[in-house]
Amino acid sequence: GDSVTQTEGLVTVTEGLPVKLNCTYQTTYLTIAFFWYVQYLNEAPQVLLRSSTDNKRTEHQGFHATLHKSSSSFHLQKSSAQLSDSALYYCALSESYAQGLTFGLGTRVSVFP
Amino acid sequence: EAGVTQSPRYAVLQEGQAVSFWCDPISGHDTLYWYQQPRDQGPQLLVYFRDEAVIDNSQLPSDRFSAVRPKGTNSTLKIQSAKQGDTATYLCASSQTGTEDTQYFGPGTRLLVL
Repeated sequence: GDSVTQTEGLVTVTEGLPVKLNCTYQTTYLTIAFFWYVQYLNEAPQVLLRSSTDNKRTEHQGFHATLHKSSSSFHLQKSSAQLSDSALYYCALSESYAQGLTFGLGTRVSVFP
Repeated sequence: EAGVTQSPRYAVLQEGQAVSFWCDPISGHDTLYWYQQPRDQGPQLLVYFRDEAVIDNSQLPSDRFSAVRPKGTNSTLKIQSAKQGDTATYLCASSQTGTEDTQYFGPGTRLLVL
């Protein structure tokens, strides 16, 4: 089956500095969609980014990610972290349209002043 | 547009008790998903429907868990004889086939089994 690996359980960053969250995946199918979800404390996961195109940069709310099928990666980056970015971030993939998502374990981001 | 709604928001049970969770998806979304999210883990798919049909329930512990979506709109997830290992947040999500496949999540039901 599919799997998603997020190598960092916790990332701490000073406000204004860049942040990068790693996401790699394994799949035996023609996976067509990749996502980053953000989950604030006691809230539901919200979609942050979505991509299905190899080597195309996707941006939203200051975050960006590029799907690289050659390295099976979909890392999330932001050039200047904000205090409000403190949350749990999940990388996820979907094998096909409107199928269940496979999530990674998540990376908690803590931004300090 | 209203988002995905779920009730109850919290539930506390003793082992062996039954509980039902209810989900109302975004209007017009034909696909509905139930996920289990144990503490400090990512959501894990339990079952999903397209309209009223079950598409995949292979991850649903069938001996104690059941899910229905009789009219292709609202859905109910039920746990018979809950166990402590069922302690988790149960998330419902919905999406619309034929457009982007982005899933939108409800606020979840936090279940504690004592």
